[in-house]
Amino acid sequence: DSGVTQTPKHLITATGQRVTLRCSPRSGDLSVYWYQQSLDQGLQFLIQYYNGEERAKGNILERFSAQQFPDLHSELNLSSLELGDSALYFCASSVVPWGGNEQFFGPGTRLTVL
Amino acid sequence: AQKVTQAQTEISVVEKEDVTLDCVYETRDTTYYLFWYKQPPSGELVFLIRRNSFDEQNEISGRYSWNFQKSTSSFNFTITASQVVDSAVYFCAQTDYGGSQGNLIFGKGTKLSVKP
Repeated sequence: DSGVTQTPKHLITATGQRVTLRCSPRSGDLSVYWYQQSLDQGLQFLIQYYNGEERAKGNILERFSAQQFPDLHSELNLSSLELGDSALYFCASSVVPWGGNEQFFGPGTRLTVL
Repeated sequence: AQKVTQAQTEISVVEKEDVTLDCVYETRDTTYYLFWYKQPPSGELVFLIRRNSFDEQNEISGRYSWNFQKSTSSFNFTITASQVVDSAVYFCAQTDYGGSQGNLIFGKGTKLSVKP
């Protein structure tokens, strides 16, 4: 158990809908990362937060947004969903985002868009 | 741009065989960090090791060992006396922007199947 929690574990929804994925980092970790894992794209970095502020963006679509709250949990919002958004979404956390600190991953949320 | 290449897509071995998973990275940074993660069939990503660019010492942890060679930009992972429980997808990764931002760039992964 990495100490990172993600809810829900599975999510099935329809095209055009909006969903919210939730992540709670390990106790003491200030930085949260979101990654998407799909068969064709592999594991891709989406976005990073540190202590409530957005710090880095990767290949995140404009239809996707995220935030980190004062209690450090994070939410990833996916809207106008398309079939291609079906993937495993991971949240990871680390103490701080610099210095190559190891990132600990949550169990993931498997999103299926029908 | 940073890139991580895991040329072996799938490897199949019989239990007790040794197996090496290759990882080649590309970076222009002088400071960077390399990682290996394991993704068992259950799906979670498990951290195995971190290595920084200034530490080329090989590391051994039980049946696992890692060989980091800057001269060939490689960070290979060897499992000695493999076991069925080692069956998983293994990912090599490096930090982006020299580690100043923390996000990881992953290779495509190598699926290891260990048969009894």
